[in-house]
Amino acid sequence: ILNVEQSPQSLHVQEGDSTNFTCSFPSSNFYALHWYRWETAKSPEALFVMTLNGDEKKKGRISATLNTKEGYSYLYIKGSQPEDSATYLCAFTSGTYKYIFGTGTRLKVLA
Amino acid sequence: NAGVTQTPKFRILKIGQSMTLQCAQDMNHNYMYWYRQDPGMGLKLIYYSVGAGITDKGEVPNGYNVSRSTTEDFPLRLELAAPSQTSVYFCASSYSGTVSNTEAFFGQGTRLTVV
Repeated sequence: ILNVEQSPQSLHVQEGDSTNFTCSFPSSNFYALHWYRWETAKSPEALFVMTLNGDEKKKGRISATLNTKEGYSYLYIKGSQPEDSATYLCAFTSGTYKYIFGTGTRLKVLA
Repeated sequence: NAGVTQTPKFRILKIGQSMTLQCAQDMNHNYMYWYRQDPGMGLKLIYYSVGAGITDKGEVPNGYNVSRSTTEDFPLRLELAAPSQTSVYFCASSYSGTVSNTEAFFGQGTRLTVV
C-alpha cells in the first residue's frame, strides 16, 4: 500500500512569518509529486508538479523542493499572509494512473 | 470554461436509498477519478477511469459503482446508502494521469449525508 504522509497536520503562524511543510512519499517507482492548495468550501487547485530529483518550483511567495532519492518534498511560504490560509495537499503518482494524496497540512495565518 | 462539474452540491439520503452523483468535464481529459474526503483522512480514491469504457477500483470501492460510457461523464452510483458513506465526494480529471506536468482538476464537491 502506497502511503503519503504530511507534517505537521496543522499550523498557526503570524502574518509575515515564513513557514514550511513536509511531504514524505515512497521513493521507488516515482513519477511525479504534486502540491495542491485547498481553501475551505472550494476544490483543490494545483500549485506545482515536480518530476525530477532536485526540482525546485516557485510561484510568488510559495516554493517547493523535491528529493526523490529519500522520498520527500518541502513546501515553503515566505512572508505568510492571511489569504495563504488553506490546506496544502501533496499527491504522489507512480507507474499507475492514480494520485495518492496525503492528509494535508492545515495552515492558519493570523493577522 | 466549465472545467469539472459535479451535481448535486448537497444531498441527504436515508439508509438504503440509492443515488447517482454526476460528474462531467469539458476538457477532453481521458482520466477521471472519484475521491471521498473524510475528516482528518485526506482524499481516498474510490474509482478511476483511464478512458471511455474502462474503469477500475481505487482504495475504497465497496458500496459504489461507476460507469464511463463517454469521455465527458463519469457518474458514481451508491446502491444502498449507509451512514459510513456520509462524506464529501470529489470528482477529478486529468489529461494523461500520471505523466509529468499533468495536474488533476477537481469539481466543487458533493456533500452527502446518510441518515
